[in-house]
Amino acid sequence: QVQLVESGGGVVLPGRSLRLSCAASGFTFNNYGIHWVRQAPGKGLEWLAVIKADGSDIYYADSVKGRFTISRDNSKNTVYLQMNSLKVEDTSVYYCARLSDWELPNWFDPWGQGTLVTVSS
Amino acid sequence: SYELTQPVSVSVALGQTAKITCGGKNIGGKNVHWYQQKPGQAPVLVIFRDNNRPSGIPGRFSGSNSGNTATLTITGAQAGDEADYSCQVWDARAFWVFGGGTKLTVL
Repeated sequence: QVQLVESGGGVVLPGRSLRLSCAASGFTFNNYGIHWVRQAPGKGLEWLAVIKADGSDIYYADSVKGRFTISRDNSKNTVYLQMNSLKVEDTSVYYCARLSDWELPNWFDPWGQGTLVTVSS
Repeated sequence: SYELTQPVSVSVALGQTAKITCGGKNIGGKNVHWYQQKPGQAPVLVIFRDNNRPSGIPGRFSGSNSGNTATLTITGAQAGDEADYSCQVWDARAFWVFGGGTKLTVL
C-alpha cells in the first residue's frame, strides 16, 4: 500500500539545524511531487514546501523561505527537509504528503504519520 | 495572502447532519479539498475538488462550494466522525492554503 514515513525529528536548540526525511513506498515515487506540512501544538495545518517529481520545481511558504530547503533522492525514494536557524516557533509535528498531481487542481493524499520537532533551550 | 476561515468547533447529535463551513474571498471559484484528522493521527483526505469522495470514504460525507463559502456536510454523523476537519485550496500567491480547522463533536 502507499506509505510515507517521516523520521529525523527530535529536540534541538534554537539556532541549530535538523534534517527530516520522508521515505516512500507502494507507488512509483518519481512520478509524484511531495509536500512538507507542519502543525504546531493545538494549531492548524501550515503548508511549508513542495518539490516536483523530478526535482525541477520547488516552492516554499514565505514563513520558511531562506531557512528551509526541500530536496529529494529518487534512487532512495526519499524526500528531505533541511531546517536551519531553527526557532522556538518551529516546534511542530512535521508531515510529508504526496501531491495528487502536479497539474492543478491538486491535493494532499496520502499523508505520513508525522515526526515531532521541538525547538527549546 | 489568501485566508480561509473555519469555525473553531461544531457540535452535532448522533445521527444528525453536521455542516462545517470554510469561508474565503470568492472561494466558489477555487477547488476546495477537505481533510479529517483524528487525535494523534495524520490527516486523511475526505473530499477533493469540492464534492468528490476518495475511495473508502463513506457516502455520508459530501461537499459544496459557492460564493464565499464552501461546506463539508456529514449526513447521519457517527461517533467515529468526531475529529478535526480542515479545508484547503490553492492560491496563485500563497500556493497551498489551509483553514484553521474545525473540531467536530458528536453528542
